Amino acid sequence: GDSVTQMEGPVTLSEEAFLTINCTYTATGYPSLFWYVQYPGEGLQLLLKATKADDKGSNKGFEATYRKETTSFHLEKGSVQVSDSAVYFCALSANSGGSNYKLTFGKGTLLTVNP
Amino acid sequence: DTGVSQNPRHKITKRGQNVTFRCDPISEHNRLYWYRQTLGQGPEFLTYFQNEAQLEKSRLLSDRFSAERPKGSFSTLEIQRTEQGDSAMYLCASSLGTGRKETQYFGPGTRLLVL
Repeated sequence: GDSVTQMEGPVTLSEEAFLTINCTYTATGYPSLFWYVQYPGEGLQLLLKATKADDKGSNKGFEATYRKETTSFHLEKGSVQVSDSAVYFCALSANSGGSNYKLTFGKGTLLTVNP
Repeated sequence: DTGVSQNPRHKITKRGQNVTFRCDPISEHNRLYWYRQTLGQGPEFLTYFQNEAQLEKSRLLSDRFSAERPKGSFSTLEIQRTEQGDSAMYLCASSLGTGRKETQYFGPGTRLLVL
């Protein structure tokens, strides 16, 4: 079945540090890949996505590139801010027949950014 | 666009009681998903609707769980004879079915605690 493995947390960084959160996947079909973010007390928000190999998703200074050869979708940001403190989830959707594009999530990575 | 809404936001119940959660999707979205998230884990797929038809159910969805989406608008998730293991965050997401490029938008979730 489909699965997503992401870097175990928690990750603690100082403001303006470089961020990488690793994500690799296994999928039976041709997946689309996503990063969702969950701020404290809030629901999941889409951060970025990529739907085919070599696509780069980007939003709010975050980037991730769909690497089919390494089955990876690592999240990066050049300079984190305190406001980026949240839990980050890597996810994939792949259709195994029919119209269901359910998401399969990793366990999440807690990021804390200190001033 | 008012986003996906869920009610109630929190529910505390005693073991053996029945509970019902409601999800109101984004108005033009034809697809609706339910997920369950336990502490320290990513969300896990429970069930999926396209319009009013429930097209897939996860093995996680025991016979104590039932979901409906009458008229293809809001959806309800009912848990009968709740157990302590049902304690979790229940998330609803909706999407405009565009196949593998679709994006699911999440509600804030209903947090269930079974005593």
